Amino acid sequence: QSVLTQPPSVSGAPGQRVTISCTGSSSNIGAGYDVQWYQQLPGTAPKLLIYGSINRPSGVPDRFSGSKSGTSASLAITGLQAEDEADYYCQSYDSSLSGSLFGGGTKLTVL
Amino acid sequence: QLQLQESGPGLVKPSETLSLSCAVSGGSISSGTHYWGWIRQPPGKGLEWIGSMYYSGRTYYNSSLKSRVTISVDTSKNQFSLKLSSVTAADTAVYYCARHDLTMIRGVVKDNWFDTWGQGTLVTVSS
Repeated sequence: QSVLTQPPSVSGAPGQRVTISCTGSSSNIGAGYDVQWYQQLPGTAPKLLIYGSINRPSGVPDRFSGSKSGTSASLAITGLQAEDEADYYCQSYDSSLSGSLFGGGTKLTVL
Repeated sequence: QLQLQESGPGLVKPSETLSLSCAVSGGSISSGTHYWGWIRQPPGKGLEWIGSMYYSGRTYYNSSLKSRVTISVDTSKNQFSLKLSSVTAADTAVYYCARHDLTMIRGVVKDNWFDTWGQGTLVTVSS
């Protein structure tokens, strides 16, 4: 069981906005550690989508945005497209574990 | 353009040692700007960080795997390696190597993300 909790699945129609939550605790997100988000398309390696909680690497569309508040973080995707159908993972640092950890992942389905 | 490529046996027997290498091209491990890490993903499941290493030899390991894991670097070949001992079926997974942007300020983790990944290699533990 991951220390970072994500919903197993979310869905939305093309053009809609969806959000994926990542709930942590006082030893990770709540301690101020930043959150990263990764997109994993079927059969491929994960790709960094958001780093430092709110920053997008070069080449990532601005339809993707990240936020963090308290012990939680969120990934928002606006103008949903069929190509966004993938698994999404949050990642942070945990001081009690003294290491990096990933959320359990969320499968996004574009209806 | 930085590229990482994993290599190693796809099948390992229970109780033996899993050994993988990650060749880095388009960048130098010894540049000292990043750590280099391993992440795994059991079939149909989520991601698990295994550990990360700096070119100087400093390592950080997942506490749940620490007793069985060794990550080492060969700067002359511009590659780093993973060894996981006493494997069981639970270690069956796709293993990824990745560049780890890890920075600390006065011992506190500040930046901590994996910005470039290899394509992954499936390792099955079975007799």
